[in-house]
Amino acid sequence: GNSVTQMEGPVTLSEEAFLTINCTYTATGYPSLFWYVQYPGEGLQLLLKATKADDKGSNKGFEATYRKETTSFHLEKGSVQVSDSAVYFCALSDRDTGRRALTFGSGTRLQVQP
Amino acid sequence: EPEVTQTPSHQVTQMGQEVILRCVPISNHLYFYWYRQILGQKVEFLVSFYNNEISEKSEIFDDQFSVERPDGSNFTLKIRSTKLEDSAMYFCASSMGDSLDQPQHFGDGTRLSIL
Repeated sequence: GNSVTQMEGPVTLSEEAFLTINCTYTATGYPSLFWYVQYPGEGLQLLLKATKADDKGSNKGFEATYRKETTSFHLEKGSVQVSDSAVYFCALSDRDTGRRALTFGSGTRLQVQP
Repeated sequence: EPEVTQTPSHQVTQMGQEVILRCVPISNHLYFYWYRQILGQKVEFLVSFYNNEISEKSEIFDDQFSVERPDGSNFTLKIRSTKLEDSAMYFCASSMGDSLDQPQHFGDGTRLSIL
């Protein structure tokens, strides 16, 4: 079956530090990949997506590149802000089967200190 | 920007009682979903709904669960006889559905507490 593995949190960084949150996946087919963010007290918001190998998704200074050879989709940001403090979820959907259900990782909590 | 809305934000129910969670998806979306997140665990898919019928469901979505689109705007999840282990955050989502790459848009969730 499909699965997503994320690095354990919490990740604690100082403002303006570089962020990497690792995400690897296993999938029977050729998935689409997503990063969602959950701010305190809110629902999941789509942060970025990539649908084929070597695609780079980007939004709000965050980037992630779809690496088929390493089955990875690591999230990066060059300079984090306190307002980036949230839980980040990596997810995939299995296009080959036509299923729309998202498979999520366990989430990584990011805490940015001023 | 249009958004998915869920009510109530918090529901407290006695074990064995029925509960209905309500969602208003984004108006031009065609696919609707329910997910749940037990405290400290992953977000898990429950069910998807398209064209007035279930299109996918997970093994979690057993006979105790049902979904309905009672009118043109609401999408509901019913749990027939709640158990302690149903305590979780329940998220509704919707997507346009014309492509499998269309992202799902989530509501803020309903926290369900079973006593």
